[in-house]
Amino acid sequence: GENVEQHPSTLSVQEGDSAVIKCTYSDSASNYFPWYKQELGKRPQLIIDIRSNVGEKKDQRIAVTLNKTAKHFSLHITETQPEDSAVYFCAAVFSGNTPLVFGKGTRLSVIA
Amino acid sequence: GAVVSQHPSWVICKSGTSVKIECRSLDFQATTMFWYRQFPKQSLMLMATSNEGSKATYEQGVEKDKFLINHASLTLSTLTVTSAHPEDSSFYICSARTGTTDTQYFGPGTRLTVL
Repeated sequence: GENVEQHPSTLSVQEGDSAVIKCTYSDSASNYFPWYKQELGKRPQLIIDIRSNVGEKKDQRIAVTLNKTAKHFSLHITETQPEDSAVYFCAAVFSGNTPLVFGKGTRLSVIA
Repeated sequence: GAVVSQHPSWVICKSGTSVKIECRSLDFQATTMFWYRQFPKQSLMLMATSNEGSKATYEQGVEKDKFLINHASLTLSTLTVTSAHPEDSSFYICSARTGTTDTQYFGPGTRLTVL
């Protein structure tokens, strides 16, 4: 089955700096890769996603890159702000009725 | 759009009792719903996949007789934790997906505490 590895588990950055979180997946047939942000005690919120026919996608300060050959994808947050502090989860899925497989999460702390 | 609600948001119960959690898709029809459990500082662990009108598919290690899932309509799935014990205390989150997209939308979660 699919396996998703996520690194780092914790990340601290100064406000204004960039943050990068990386994930690798095992199933080369996976074709959908969302990223979720979860604040303490709340639901995971979809922040950006990418499909396997695209190499990069950007939405304001957030971008995701995908390298299908290497089977890894990354989340980039630029100009970080304290409100970006949260746990971020990557996930992967092979399209169809299969569920998302999540990484273990990265706790991002943005220090003002 | 794509709002998923969950009820109750929190529940405290005595050991041995059963607790039902509801998950509703408010503005779309969810052909598939998923139930996750999340322990403190851990990732979301998939418990089961539920398709409307059919039996749920449980992940390895999840007891189907203990965690009863019913997906009776395209907008409602329920999870019943039977004979709850303190080790069942956790954050239970559902998610829903339409038949036309891979995107999963999550409910707000239910914090279960078993005394």
